[in-house]
This record gives sequence, C-alpha cells and structure tokens, in this order.
Amino acid sequence: SAVISQKPSRDICQRGTSLTIQCQVDSQVTMMFWYRQQPGQSLTLIATANQGSEATYESGFVIDKFPISRPNLTFSTLTVSNMSPEDSSIYLCSVDLSALTQYFGPGTRLLVL
Amino acid sequence: ELKVEQNPLFLSMQEGKNYTIYCNYSTTSDRLYWYRQDPGKSLESLFVLLSNGAVKQEGRLMASLDTKARLSTLHITAAVHDLSATYFCAVDRWVNTGNQFYFGTGTSLTVIP
Repeated sequence: SAVISQKPSRDICQRGTSLTIQCQVDSQVTMMFWYRQQPGQSLTLIATANQGSEATYESGFVIDKFPISRPNLTFSTLTVSNMSPEDSSIYLCSVDLSALTQYFGPGTRLLVL
Repeated sequence: ELKVEQNPLFLSMQEGKNYTIYCNYSTTSDRLYWYRQDPGKSLESLFVLLSNGAVKQEGRLMASLDTKARLSTLHITAAVHDLSATYFCAVDRWVNTGNQFYFGTGTSLTVIP
C-alpha cells in the first residue's frame, strides 16, 4: 500500500483566485492521477501526471485551467486557476503502485465563493 | 466512450437484510474494482476482481465478476449500520499514459437500525 498526503485538506477561496494542491507519496511511483469529485457525484479523472513528461488531460480539462507539476517520483501539484463556484469540489490524487488498484489521498475540499 | 453504471444510486435498507448492488460497464475488461467512501473521507479499496468468475468475500460483503456480461455485483448479507457508505465500482483501461480507472456513478447505502 501507499501513504498519500494532500495539502491543504480544505480551503475556502474567492472567485478569480488560484489554489495549488500538493500531493505527497511515501514511495516512488511512476504515475500519479488527479480526480475531481463534485458534490454527490462520482470521480472524474482530470489528468495523469508522469514524472519527466507533460501531464495528459482528459476531455473537458485543459492545462491552462488545471496546470500540473510532477517534479519527482513522490510529489505532484495541481493548480485550480481563475476559480469559479463551479470548481467547488473534492480534489483527489491517487497512485497506481502495482497496476492492481489505485490508492487515494485524503482529498482536498475546495469551496469557491 | 467507456461507461460504468451502478444501480441503484441510492439504497436504504434495514439491518439484517440482504441486498445486491449492480455494476455494468461498456468495454471489455478483465478487472473490476470496488471502493468504499465514508462521508467526508477518501476512497478505500475493498475488492479487486481479476478474472471472469472471480468471487471475493470480506465480512458481510461479497463481490463477483462476470466479464462476458460485463457485470459485477456487490452482495450485502445481513446488513449492519457500519456498512452505511457510498460504494463505487471501477474498471481500468491501459492507455499510452498509464492504467486509467473509470468509476461508476456510486451507490449511496444507508442501513437503518
């Protein structure tokens, strides 16, 4: 298994501002994933972040809105840019250690006013 | 487009009763995952089903997989209040950026004393 931490755990932000979410893993992993879970909804994959290459974004998500960094094998950041109330969600990072399952961080609960 | 659907979306059941949650998916996949999410918490891996006919049991929960029918079931036996949570199924698909998970719509389970 993996121990995954996220910072911040929650935040309340004003529209038009940006928030950077950090994800730290206790072991080296090739792939890290960022998901969004809107209130009462399932998880939607935002992007896949591999170390040493540009993140790959899913349909409906763009780099200008959700820039991602992956500076090493244990860390990644997701920035939610120019926020609007529609960005209020839980943002989760996950890792795929053995290709058998994904382990999820505790999530970052974001409220945009 | 890969779709993963669960039913029911909401389930309210009395303690001691049995019920089954269904997960249908639209693409060929030999692997199916079940997760549990408690309110305000992240996702916890419950089962990984790796082949057709796979059956796994943990306590009052039993999961099975029929890859030909593209169907997985999560059976609850003699429900207790502690099982109240949201349950997600997921399938994976290998793409050139890695192993991507696609989550179902979720089933919100409430067990009533």
